[in-house]
Amino acid sequence: DQQVKQNSPSLSVQEGRISILNCDYTNSMFDYFLWYKKYPAEGPTFLISISSIKDKNEDGRFTVFLNKSAKHLSLHIVPSQPGDSAVYFCAAKDGGATNKLIFGTGTLLAVQP
Amino acid sequence: DTAVSQTPKYLVTQMGNDKSIKCEQNLGHDTMYWYKQDSKKFLKIMFSYNNKELIINETVPNRFSPKSPDKAHLNLHINSLELGDSAVYFCASTNPHGRQFFGPGTRLTVL
Repeated sequence: DQQVKQNSPSLSVQEGRISILNCDYTNSMFDYFLWYKKYPAEGPTFLISISSIKDKNEDGRFTVFLNKSAKHLSLHIVPSQPGDSAVYFCAAKDGGATNKLIFGTGTLLAVQP
Repeated sequence: DTAVSQTPKYLVTQMGNDKSIKCEQNLGHDTMYWYKQDSKKFLKIMFSYNNKELIINETVPNRFSPKSPDKAHLNLHINSLELGDSAVYFCASTNPHGRQFFGPGTRLTVL
C-alpha cells in the first residue's frame, strides 16, 4: 500500500512557464516533506522541504505548498528552465526517531526550449 | 569532496554469486541507509543503521546483509543472487533534520 503517491508519471512544460508537480499522501503522522530531483545515472539530490507545521516554503524558483487537510503537496517551479528536466520525487518522513523517508514513484519533468 | 560515494557504479554477475557494494559518507552523519530502485523506478528503503546499529530492516530477504564497520561506512553484501535482485541500489546518509543525501547508485544486473 503506497503511502506517498505521485499520480502523474510525466509532465511536459514550455521553458519560462510554470511547472506544477503534485504529491498525495495517506499517513497523517508524516511530519516533514521533501522534494528530490534526479538526473539519469545519478543519485537523488535534495531540492526543497517543508515541515508539517507550515503551508508554504519558497527557495528561489522553487516553492512547495502543503495542504494538510487534503494530504496534498505540490512543487511549483517558475520560470521553468530546460535544466530542470529530471525526475522529481516527493518524500515524506514519519514522526519516529529513524528519519525514515517514504518516496513516491516520481514524475518525469521535461522542459521544452 | 564527494559526500556519499558508492562502489562499484556498475555490477554485472551471474545468478547464485555473492557480491558486495560499498558505501562511504564524509558528512559526519550518524545514520545511513540502503535503498533499492526497481524496474518500476520505485525507491524503497531496505536498511538503516544509526552509529553502527541496525534501526530499520524492511522485510528484506536474509540473503541481504548490511555491515557497518563504523558510522561512515555501510556496506551491502548479497548472497546467492537472483534475477529479481537486478536494480539500482542507493546508499544515503541523513542529517539530524531528516534531509537525506544520496550516493550515485550502483546498477546491479544479475544474468
